[in-house]
Amino acid sequence: LAKTTQPISMDSYEGQEVNITCSHNNIATNDYITWYQQFPSQGPRFIIQGYKTKVTNEVASLFIPADRKSSTLSLPRVSLSDTAVYYCLVGAGNMLTFGGGTRLMVKP
Amino acid sequence: NAGVTQTPKFRVLKTGQSMTLLCAQDMNHEYMYWYRQDPGMGLRLIHYSVGEGTTAKGEVPDGYNVSRLKKQNFLLGLESAAPSQTSVYFCASSVGDSYYYGYTFGSGTRLTVV
Repeated sequence: LAKTTQPISMDSYEGQEVNITCSHNNIATNDYITWYQQFPSQGPRFIIQGYKTKVTNEVASLFIPADRKSSTLSLPRVSLSDTAVYYCLVGAGNMLTFGGGTRLMVKP
Repeated sequence: NAGVTQTPKFRVLKTGQSMTLLCAQDMNHEYMYWYRQDPGMGLRLIHYSVGEGTTAKGEVPDGYNVSRLKKQNFLLGLESAAPSQTSVYFCASSVGDSYYYGYTFGSGTRLTVV
C-alpha cells in the first residue's frame, strides 16, 4: 500500500480557498486517490476520488499531476463548518488505510 | 434511509467483561468493516467481511472476533475487554471495491474499559 504524507494541521479564515497537498511517491498503477472528511464524533465521509488530472464535485476539487506522486485537495471559500480532519488515501482493493490526516481549522 | 447504524453509541466496561457491538446497514452492501480510532490518530482496520458468512483479519485483529451471519449485520465481539481496547469503534460498508466506490461509515461507538 502506498504511504501518504500530508501536513498535520492547517489554519484558514472563512471565505478563503484551502489547498491540502498529499505526497504519495510510491503510488502504484492501479491505485486511486481518495479524500475523506471527518468531523468530531462522526465517522469519516467520502469527499472526492480521482485517478489522474482534475476532478471536481459540489464539495471540492482534486488536482493530480501527470506523475501522480502527489495530489491536492482544494476547498473553495471555506466556512466554519469545514473545520474537520481531512484524510488522503491511496490504494486499490477492499481495505482502506488511513494515515493521521490534516486537521483544518477555519477561523472567523 | 438510515445508512449504517451502530449500537450502542457509548459503553463503559470493566476489565475482563465481554460485549458485542452491532453494525447494521440497509444499503445491500456486500463489504463491511470494523475500524478503531484512538485519540489524535487515524483509523485502523480490525476485521472485515466481503460477503455474508465471510470474515477476514485486518491490521489489528487481536482481542476481537467478528461474525457476519446476515448480509446486513456485522458484529464485533470483545471476549475479555482490556484497557488497551478503549477507543472509538467505527463500522463501514461498501458496495464493492472500497477505493473506487468509497465507504459509508456509521457514527461510532465510544468504548471505555476501566
